[in-house]
Amino acid sequence: LAKTTQPISMDSYEGQEVNITCSHNNIATNDYITWYQQFPSQGPRFIIQGYKTKVTNEVASLFIPADRKSSTLSLPRVSLSDTAVYYCLVGGFSGGYNKLIFGAGTRLAVHP
Amino acid sequence: DTAVSQTPKYLVTQMGNDKSIKCEQNLGHDTMYWYKQDSKKFLKIMFSYNNKELIINETVPNRFSPKSPDKAHLNLHINSLELGDSAVYFCASRQDEKLFFGSGTQLSVL
Repeated sequence: LAKTTQPISMDSYEGQEVNITCSHNNIATNDYITWYQQFPSQGPRFIIQGYKTKVTNEVASLFIPADRKSSTLSLPRVSLSDTAVYYCLVGGFSGGYNKLIFGAGTRLAVHP
Repeated sequence: DTAVSQTPKYLVTQMGNDKSIKCEQNLGHDTMYWYKQDSKKFLKIMFSYNNKELIINETVPNRFSPKSPDKAHLNLHINSLELGDSAVYFCASRQDEKLFFGSGTQLSVL
């Protein structure tokens, strides 16, 4: 199972772009890269997912280099409401088996 | 609203008691999970059910027993509660490669 490493915490200010990088050196061929966001007293919420190259949705962008050994979640122009824990997960559900492992996540604090 | 809902939101009980947490999803998903989030905020999978059948049972004490009456429900029953069972328990369902979580049940064992 692929292990991920991401910063424990980050600070930013409203209006800035935030980039959170995750390392996953032993990612397997069939593994997806998925990011979740968790607010206090809530369950994790899916943000974005990719396999390779770049993915963009209305919330974030996900950059994945060719070797797929890392990925970067980019949050454009953050606001106070983006303060949360962000989890990088690598894995999938091949054969019905849940290979997604949640790490410690990155605590993002957005300041006024 | 379409969602994964679990009850109760908070559960405070004494050691040795038996308690249940209920989970329902109206998303039409076939696979559901129970996760445990400890005080250090690590989320660990406990059980996985696919269409009412148990797929995964991680190394969880047999005091924990999941029950799935139908594919929209996955309840968690805990016998003889211990102090170490205090945590937040999340129910989730899956569509493709995405997980959808409930809002959690904070269990406090006194």
